[in-house]
Amino acid sequence: QVQLQESGPGLVKPSETLSLTCTVSGGSVTSGNYYWSWIRQPPGKGLEWIGYIYYSGSTDYNPSLKSRVTISVDTSKNQFSLKLSSVTAADTAVYYCASDFHYYDSSGYFYYFDYWGQGTLVTVSS
Amino acid sequence: DIQMTQSPSSLSASVGDRVTITCRASQSISDYLNWYQQKPGKAPKLLIYAASSLQSGVPSRFSGSGSGTDFTLTISSLQPEDFATYSCQQSYSTPRTFGQGTKLEIK
Repeated sequence: QVQLQESGPGLVKPSETLSLTCTVSGGSVTSGNYYWSWIRQPPGKGLEWIGYIYYSGSTDYNPSLKSRVTISVDTSKNQFSLKLSSVTAADTAVYYCASDFHYYDSSGYFYYFDYWGQGTLVTVSS
Repeated sequence: DIQMTQSPSSLSASVGDRVTITCRASQSISDYLNWYQQKPGKAPKLLIYAASSLQSGVPSRFSGSGSGTDFTLTISSLQPEDFATYSCQQSYSTPRTFGQGTKLEIK
């Protein structure tokens, strides 16, 4: 069973860069059936997809955050990472990493988040 | 972006009740719709994918239906462990988007 674990600072100052890493165990980031996503949830609010990376390094980001987001992968460490620059209080949230499984049938490609990390609260405050 | 709207936002029910939660997409998404359950302080858990396929290990009292723009999640007989927040999510296109969540509370 795949397990994911987020790590990184829980407090970031406004205008600085938020950096988180997700370590994958029980599976490989080079698995062709998976993209690797970051998702966040502000306190008391809904879930927001930030973006994903494929093991090849190809990425897709939410346009609402695209100018500030970088997701990278380190296949040697079986990890992927998130950087979010120029943070403000609005970026305060629980950040989750998740595996984005995909498969193909006659209808097309289906995707779903099947494994999630436990989440890490990142607070933006001076 | 595809907007996902759930109704109701909150719901009170009793153990044993049959409950239905609705999710509407702002455009047709075929059956590219997933459902998640989230308990306080925990990560979401996948229940249903591709609108009606039950994820392995999920009890059969959970079911999903719908296609196009309108979808439902049904819990046939509520159990105490089912009180949680439920969210739908479309995978038709990026950015992936979620509904705002439906909080299911004990009556």
